[in-house]
Amino acid sequence: GDSVTQMEGPVTLSEEAFLTINCTYTATGYPSLFWYVQYPGEGLQLLLKATKADDKGSNKGFEATYRKETTSFHLEKGSVQVSDSAVYFCALSHNDYKLSFGAGTTVTVRA
Amino acid sequence: GAVVSQHPSWVICKSGTSVKIECRSLDFQATTMFWYRQFPKQSLMLMATSNEGSKATYEQGVEKDKFLINHASLTLSTLTVTSAHPEDSSFYICSAQGGGANTGELFFGEGSRLTVL
Repeated sequence: GDSVTQMEGPVTLSEEAFLTINCTYTATGYPSLFWYVQYPGEGLQLLLKATKADDKGSNKGFEATYRKETTSFHLEKGSVQVSDSAVYFCALSHNDYKLSFGAGTTVTVRA
Repeated sequence: GAVVSQHPSWVICKSGTSVKIECRSLDFQATTMFWYRQFPKQSLMLMATSNEGSKATYEQGVEKDKFLINHASLTLSTLTVTSAHPEDSSFYICSAQGGGANTGELFFGEGSRLTVL
């Protein structure tokens, strides 16, 4: 079955630091890949997505590239802010809206 | 963006009682809603797919008689945990598939934390 593995947290960074959260997946076929973010007290929100190999999703300074050869979808941001403190979830779907999630990575950015 | 609201956000109940959690799409109609369960430090596990006006489709290993799902309208789905036991304590999250300009996008509720004593 499908599975998503993302790096364990928590991750603590200083403002303006570089952030990378690793995500790898196991799936049949060609799933779509997602990063969701959950800010404190809020529901999950779609951060970015990529639907085919070599696609790059980007939003709010975050980027992730769909790498089929390494089955990865690592999330990166060049300069984080305190407001980026949240839990980040990597996920995949075969376009039936059923999402398989990773365990989530808690990121804390300190001023 | 579209808003999905869950109620209650947290609930504590005694073992053997039933608890109902509501999931509402506030500004759009959702023909399909999904219910997830999240254990501490683990990923969200899909429990069931809820379609308006029809029976829910449960994932393998999820007891349909234990977790009753009703999707009576295009804006409301409910999850009832029947005869709850401490092992049912968890974080339950719903998501709704948007329509109109948001067709295809999923919107998540803020989650409901259930503690069974």
